[in-house]
Amino acid sequence: SQKIEQNSEALNIQEGKTATLTCNYTNYSPAYLQWYRQDPGRGPVFLLLIRENEKEKRKERLKVTFDTTLKQSLFHITASQPADSATYLCALDPLGRTGKLIFGQGTTLQVKP
Amino acid sequence: DTEVTQTPKHLVMGMTNKKSLKCEQHMGHRAMYWYKQKAKKPPELMFVYSYEKLSINESVPSRFSPECPNSSLLNLHLHALQPEDSALYLCASSQEAALGYGYTFGSGTRLTVV
Repeated sequence: SQKIEQNSEALNIQEGKTATLTCNYTNYSPAYLQWYRQDPGRGPVFLLLIRENEKEKRKERLKVTFDTTLKQSLFHITASQPADSATYLCALDPLGRTGKLIFGQGTTLQVKP
Repeated sequence: DTEVTQTPKHLVMGMTNKKSLKCEQHMGHRAMYWYKQKAKKPPELMFVYSYEKLSINESVPSRFSPECPNSSLLNLHLHALQPEDSALYLCASSQEAALGYGYTFGSGTRLTVV
């Protein structure tokens, strides 16, 4: 079956450490993968997009990798802060480029001071 | 303006009511979307509009009726809903539907069906 899986329901880390979140997918061939942040009661906020021909993308303290062979994306937050605490969602277009963006179930990150 | 504005923020409606959710963006985006999100679940795609035309309907029941009057506005008309339709309804937009641009989401309408 087709699915998107994100690692564990919750991730707790200490302030200043690097948080690493995983997104695995099966039976898709996405042209790109996106990462979003969602706070309780709010809509998701777009963070980064990485395309199939890119290995790595960076934006400030954020880094995303994309391995189409492993069918996996890793999302890193370096020097994490309590304000980074939120749910992080990966998303992809399962048919490539149709505009049908579907989401993984999300990983809740808690950064403790 | 870099926002997607959704109104109302909260809505309580009976199962026999007719109501509409509204979504507006002024970023010049040509794709707009409706998503439904239940508590502790990811957003689920309902509809995709591209250049004001419905391009994807994810087998949504006919009691949900989308409308795109122009490139800046998206409505979701609700009729004869069930209590299980209670959820956060999110509108989003992007520059184009099929080229992988990031989506800008609104804050959503919290719908309760009684």
